[in-house]
Amino acid sequence: DTGVSQDPRHKITKRGQNVTFRCDPISEHNRLYWYRQTLGQGPEFLTYFQNEAQLEKSRLLSDRFSAERPKGSFSTLEIQRTEQGDSAMYLCASSLTTPQGTEAFFGQGTRLTVV
Amino acid sequence: AQSVTQLGSHVSVSEGALVLLRCNYSSSVPPYLFWYVQYPNQGLQLLLKYTSAATLVKGINGFEAEFKKSETSFHLTKPSAHMSDAAEYFCAVSGGGAQKLVFGQGTRLTINP
Repeated sequence: DTGVSQDPRHKITKRGQNVTFRCDPISEHNRLYWYRQTLGQGPEFLTYFQNEAQLEKSRLLSDRFSAERPKGSFSTLEIQRTEQGDSAMYLCASSLTTPQGTEAFFGQGTRLTVV
Repeated sequence: AQSVTQLGSHVSVSEGALVLLRCNYSSSVPPYLFWYVQYPNQGLQLLLKYTSAATLVKGINGFEAEFKKSETSFHLTKPSAHMSDAAEYFCAVSGGGAQKLVFGQGTRLTINP
């Protein structure tokens, strides 16, 4: 088990461009979460999937953001027409739901810089 | 609705001294509580979690935390700080069906030699 993997680790893009990030969760985990972390702040929830179903989206997730989890395995987060305010660390986490609750395992994140 | 308040955005202690990082939570459902540590440009690593079992929870690297429902607190302690403990620490709460995490703003821990 290699843990949660995110790609790329760093992305620099020009304002207005589209970017896509990938997250590979721990293989047996049924839940996958995306969070955004800006400098000096705690992570903020964006969206989560249970298997392939996207069950909740935060109001932070504007219509420029879209996330998918085809076949309930890896997930992608796409940002269209990037803005400077999108610059942040994007964290992916996965978990396995048990009666004792869930323990989320985080990837190392993708740091996005919009110039 | 759930929220977390971490008192003190920056805590500085001497090596070998007690570490105390404060966390207060608000939750409309029975909470699950977590402490995570983050090193620069890294993801979050779970230190410990409270899931309604024992109120005193022991975690990795010598850290522990005590759940106090009457005080709505979940403070993190370590008896003796080590230089390698220098990092950002986040308290988080979850509960309900989604079990998404709501994080505090973090406390940066600095260890002085």
